[in-house]
Amino acid sequence: GAGVSQSPSNKVTEKGKDVELRCDPISGHTALYWYRQSLGQGLEFLIYFQGNSAPDKSGLPSDRFSAERTGGSVSTLTIQRTQQEDSAVYLCASSKNPLAEPKETQYFGPGTRLLVL
Amino acid sequence: GQNIDQPTEMTATEGAIVQINCTYQTSGFNGLFWYQQHAGEAPTFLSYNVLDGLEEKGRFSSFLSRSKGYSYLLLKELQMKDSASYLCAVRDIGRNYGQNFVFGPGTRLSVLP
Repeated sequence: GAGVSQSPSNKVTEKGKDVELRCDPISGHTALYWYRQSLGQGLEFLIYFQGNSAPDKSGLPSDRFSAERTGGSVSTLTIQRTQQEDSAVYLCASSKNPLAEPKETQYFGPGTRLLVL
Repeated sequence: GQNIDQPTEMTATEGAIVQINCTYQTSGFNGLFWYQQHAGEAPTFLSYNVLDGLEEKGRFSSFLSRSKGYSYLLLKELQMKDSASYLCAVRDIGRNYGQNFVFGPGTRLSVLP
C-alpha cells in the first residue's frame, strides 16, 4: 500500500491487560511518530523515531507505555496493565527526515481505536 | 498543544467564506501546517507556510505572519463536505526533537445548508 497502515483498527480490552498496536509506515520514510487523541481533543505526542537514532520518548505518559521500531520500518506501541484513561485513538504518522526536508508533512495512518473496559 | 491556540468551534453556511485563526508561540519557528480531520478519520495535509504571506490552493488559502505568531486558514465557497476539524501544527526546532511538531487543539467547523 501507498499509505501508513495501522492494526488493529479497533481494540476492546479489559482493565489490566496488555495491548500491542502496530504501525507500518510509508516505505522510505525515516521518521515515525505516535500520537494519542482523546475524543474531541487535539493530538498528544507520545514518541518519535528517526532512522537509527535513539527515540524521543519524552511524550510517553507513564512507564506502562513503550514502543519499538524494528529494522527502521514497522513500529509497535505497547501499553501494559491498561487503564480506562488509556482509551483513545492512537495515531501513527511517518515522514521523510524532517531535518533534511522540513517542508515535508507527516502522513497519518487511520488509527487504532482503543477502548479499555 | 499548549503553545498553540485555535477557536474550539465555528459554524458557517454553505457557499460562504470562513476564516480559522491560529496563534502560536515558539522558540524556533520552522514552518506551520494545516490539516483537515473528518470525524473518525486521520488528519490529512492541507497547506504549509514558512514565509510570511498567503499560499493559495484552490478553495483553501493559508496565511502566515511570523512576527505576530499568527496564521489563518481561509475556506471559500464552503461545501457540506468541509465540515471537519481543522488542526494547526507548528514545527518548533527549539523543542525536544520529537516534540518539535506541535499540534493545536483543532477547530471543529460545521457547515450548514
